[in-house]
Amino acid sequence: DAGVTQSPTHLIKTRGQQVTLRCSPKSGHDTVSWYQQALGQGPQFIFQYYEEEERQRGNFPDRFSGHQFPNYSSELNVNALLLGDSALYLCASSLSDRGPHNEQFFGPGTRLTVL
Amino acid sequence: AQSVSQHNHHVILSEAASLELGCNYSYGGTVNLFWYVQYPGQHLQLLLKYFSGDPLVKGIKGFEAEFIKSKFSFNLRKPSVQWSDTAEYFCAVRAYTGFQKLVFGTGTRLLVSP
Repeated sequence: DAGVTQSPTHLIKTRGQQVTLRCSPKSGHDTVSWYQQALGQGPQFIFQYYEEEERQRGNFPDRFSGHQFPNYSSELNVNALLLGDSALYLCASSLSDRGPHNEQFFGPGTRLTVL
Repeated sequence: AQSVSQHNHHVILSEAASLELGCNYSYGGTVNLFWYVQYPGQHLQLLLKYFSGDPLVKGIKGFEAEFIKSKFSFNLRKPSVQWSDTAEYFCAVRAYTGFQKLVFGTGTRLLVSP
């Protein structure tokens, strides 16, 4: 049973470009959350997708957008890249219920470098 | 809004030493609390979680944490660390009434020398 997978593993872009990151959730999971982890920091919540809609959003500008597909996989898009967008982008999947067995499972991340 | 504070950014211990990592959160309502670990080159993985009930929670690999509601704290402990515990540890909080957004602390990097 594959866990959460993300692609690509590394990416180098220049300022002003656009980037798309991809995530496949753990089998059976229907909810995908995205986090940004800057160097030396903890992960920061970007947004969460459920039933192909953005359900909750963190304090990130509109340059950050996402999508969830019918198979629950998800994309994170960042437009007009800034140097400060350089970070590890983590995808986490979970079930939509909030019961005691609920847990977010994290993927390995995509390391984005903006030059 | 929730926030999490981890007091120690770097901790260096010898094998067999005891470990306690501090975590305090700020939120007025009911919370779920988590400790995640990131071993070198590996994914973030869950060490333990607190939802309700017994405030002393046991996790994997001999770790435990105690939720002290009056102090808004959820400190992580291990009686005797091993070299393999070298990793970065993150405390996280989730508002009970919200969706699944996790708010993380800045992390504590633990180095255990053999």
